[in-house]
Amino acid sequence: DVKVTQSSRYLVKRTGEKVFLECVQDMDHENMFWYRQDPGLGLRLIYFSYDVKMKEKGDIPEGYSVSREKKERFSLILESASTNQTSMYLCASAGTENEKLFFGSGTQLSVL
Amino acid sequence: GEDVEQSLFLSVREGDSSVINCTYTDSSSTYLYWYKQEPGAGLQLLTYIFSNMDMKQDQRLTVLLNKKDKHLSLRIADTQTGDSAIYFCAETNDYKLSFGAGTTVTVRA
Repeated sequence: DVKVTQSSRYLVKRTGEKVFLECVQDMDHENMFWYRQDPGLGLRLIYFSYDVKMKEKGDIPEGYSVSREKKERFSLILESASTNQTSMYLCASAGTENEKLFFGSGTQLSVL
Repeated sequence: GEDVEQSLFLSVREGDSSVINCTYTDSSSTYLYWYKQEPGAGLQLLTYIFSNMDMKQDQRLTVLLNKKDKHLSLRIADTQTGDSAIYFCAETNDYKLSFGAGTTVTVRA
């Protein structure tokens, strides 16, 4: 069974903290994505990666960075968390055709 | 996603049909998708349609695509309580997916 695993289901952090969100997939997919989900706004793409050590900005990259050192792992980094980054973060992966995205269960991040 | 629009809420009686509508902007999209998100879970691919098709049927699900109007719909026949979820329409856009805001479907007895 295919699996995208996000390391934390819930996280609470303080303003200014550095935050790491981890995502691992076991499907040998080339493409991985980080989205944030906010009520009424749907999913917005933060960053994506189509290969190891490659990254591309999505629609809302400001305040975020990513790391893809290994094919199966894609990390989202908040260098200095702010309250407007309180959100549900969803990781996804897809094969080369991008026909289907497989999503993790999400990490609900609260920044206080 | 501003490029993909869908209504935010739909309430339907158990046993009736649900129809969720979506409009998109990128006429070059190869695939169009419907994803389902149950409470506390990530998104799950429900069905998708190639852009050269008008209709796709999969058990209780029927997808209709009107390319001229850039309109996509999802019909769920005999709606059940387990169909209560948020449904997202998505289009491919430069090999990325753009999602709508999601339609929350509530099934009432």
